[in-house]
Formats: sequence, C-alpha cells, structure tokens
Amino acid sequence: DIQMTQSPSSLSASVGDRVTITCQASLDINNYLNWYQQKPGKAPNLLIYDASNLETGVPPRFSGSGSGTHFTFTISSLQPEDFATYYCQQYDNFPYTFGQGTKLEIK
Amino acid sequence: QVQLQESGPGLVKPSQALSLTCTVSGDSSSSGTYYWTWIRQPAGKGLEWIGRIHTNGVTAYNPSLKSRVTISVDPSKNQFSLRVNSVTAADTAVYYCARDRAVAGTFSFDHWGQGTLVTVSS
Repeated sequence: DIQMTQSPSSLSASVGDRVTITCQASLDINNYLNWYQQKPGKAPNLLIYDASNLETGVPPRFSGSGSGTHFTFTISSLQPEDFATYYCQQYDNFPYTFGQGTKLEIK
Repeated sequence: QVQLQESGPGLVKPSQALSLTCTVSGDSSSSGTYYWTWIRQPAGKGLEWIGRIHTNGVTAYNPSLKSRVTISVDPSKNQFSLRVNSVTAADTAVYYCARDRAVAGTFSFDHWGQGTLVTVSS
C-alpha cells in the first residue's frame, strides 16, 4: 500500500493566518492526490482534486500544489469555518489511502 | 443535487456479518463515470477505503479486507450494498458511502453519505 504522511498532525492558528499542510507519499503518485475537509460528526468534503484543482463551490482561499511524492495544501487566510481536520488521499494505486489527518485548531 | 444515505443495523454481534445499504437520489441526469464506494472511520481515527463498484458490477477491494468484504449494486433501486463477514470489535466504525467521480483520468469522492455508526459488540 502507498503510505501517505501528513504534517503536522495538528496545528494551532488564528483567523486571518496563512496555513500550509504537507502530504508525503511513499511512492511517486504523479498528481493523483485529493484534499478533504472534515468537521466533527460530518462526512469529509472534497476541496481539491488532482493535486491542484479547486472543486466547484469551494472558496479560492484553498489551494493545492505538488506532484510525485510531495504535496502541499494552503489556506491563504483562515476563516472561522475552516477549523477542521484535513486529509490527503491518493488514487494512483489500489487500495486508495488517506493521510492520517491534520487537525487545525483555533489559537 | 446527488444525495447518498446509508442504512442498516447499528449493532452487530462478533463473528456475524455486517450489512449496509446506500441509497442514491437526486440528479439522475448527471452524466459521467462513477464508482460507488464504501469508506470507514473508527472513532477518533482516520479514513479507510473499503472498496468500490461500478454499475457494470466491476469491483475493487482493499486487500486488508478483501477476504471478508462484498460490495454489490442494484441499479434498478439506485442502491449499492456492503457486506463484511466475521466481524470483530476492530470493525466498529462510522461507515460512509461515497461517489467516486471519474473525470479525465482523475478520481475523487465528490459526494458522501452522512455516515452510519456500526458497533460490533455482544
């Protein structure tokens, strides 16, 4: 299985901050990577697909980049509703695998 | 707007089978290639992809569960189902059904059910 490692595992930040999360794949996955946001008690929500494409309806303060084994996810200016857990997910090979998650908390 | 809804027992005894159904409703006119997927999440932990099925019946499973899992589809009812045999406490989790959208070589879970908690306990 392809292992996906996110860092950091948790992060404290303030409204208005710029935040970056990284995701490292154990093998080259091209750009076959998605990013999801999950709030407590809710299903994950797709934000970014194919490493850098913004899903329809998702605010442009969210962005993604990277290819191969190293990927980044950025929120340009944190809003109160952005405090949640974020997951990367690869679809280069079965089984699809997720990172362990990054919990973004209010400072 | 596409909606997915999981249904099934919330409590299953150890060694028995877990069975869930996902009913899909909404935008039946949407074109595209989709795979119907099950994902689970133990309390306080990360997400695990269980497997998927196309409406043509082609499946893919996570090898860690493959020997115990069956995913089936009934297009006439807009439903797909999950069966996990010989469950243990380690199968206790929130189970999500999701739509895996295939577009121009990309795949992504663009719609999810709300999730259903299944507890394995005697």
